Amino acid sequence: DTEVTQTPKHLVMGMTNKKSLKCEQHMGHRAMYWYKQKAKKPPELMFVYSYEKLSINESVPSRFSPECPNSSLLNLHLHALQPEDSALYLCASSQVGGSYEQYFGPGTRLTVT
Amino acid sequence: ELKVEQNPLFLSMQEGKNYTIYCNYSTTSDRLYWYRQDPGKSLESLFVLLSNGAVKQEGRLMASLDTKARLSTLHITAAVHDLSATYFCAVEKNRDDKIIFGKGTRLHILP
Repeated sequence: DTEVTQTPKHLVMGMTNKKSLKCEQHMGHRAMYWYKQKAKKPPELMFVYSYEKLSINESVPSRFSPECPNSSLLNLHLHALQPEDSALYLCASSQVGGSYEQYFGPGTRLTVT
Repeated sequence: ELKVEQNPLFLSMQEGKNYTIYCNYSTTSDRLYWYRQDPGKSLESLFVLLSNGAVKQEGRLMASLDTKARLSTLHITAAVHDLSATYFCAVEKNRDDKIIFGKGTRLHILP
């Protein structure tokens, strides 16, 4: 199984809402990632979890809160977002330690109204 | 700071032609990745290049890495319409699971 799944596929939320994005993989990967991608731009790294611990936070605003409850699951909690946060949010996973390709999920297309 | 530059950023070409996409990066690295993204879709891993002189081929695509020149190329042979997509290179610097993406090359192959 080389699949990373993400739910929901689409999400529309208001600026006062709280929502969560979910990501799951069963490849035994111990590194998991959140990326944000705007249209016609490359993915921008937000967070990296290594062995369920946050290892990289790319100075992401606190209205984005990641969580890694176990080695297969990764969440991104959203609160008080701004319209400019509308984007495709991609989850990825890989083996730890660099030199390994990252497997990307299909993404959640988020619209903040 | 690691910077990754791709060129061209947009390429329109005829089926059957050959072309090369270039990926330059600013600091020493021997870990480079190529990904493909179709419109509205996620990223698909194409190649992992892990040493100087690495060359990998899959179908009509061939990727190479020259770490001394800090350059990777993605060569397309006898292009077909199905190869139309955006191609990203990504470079890893510190083996800390962080990769930096280039801006991407939007490839449009005319039938």
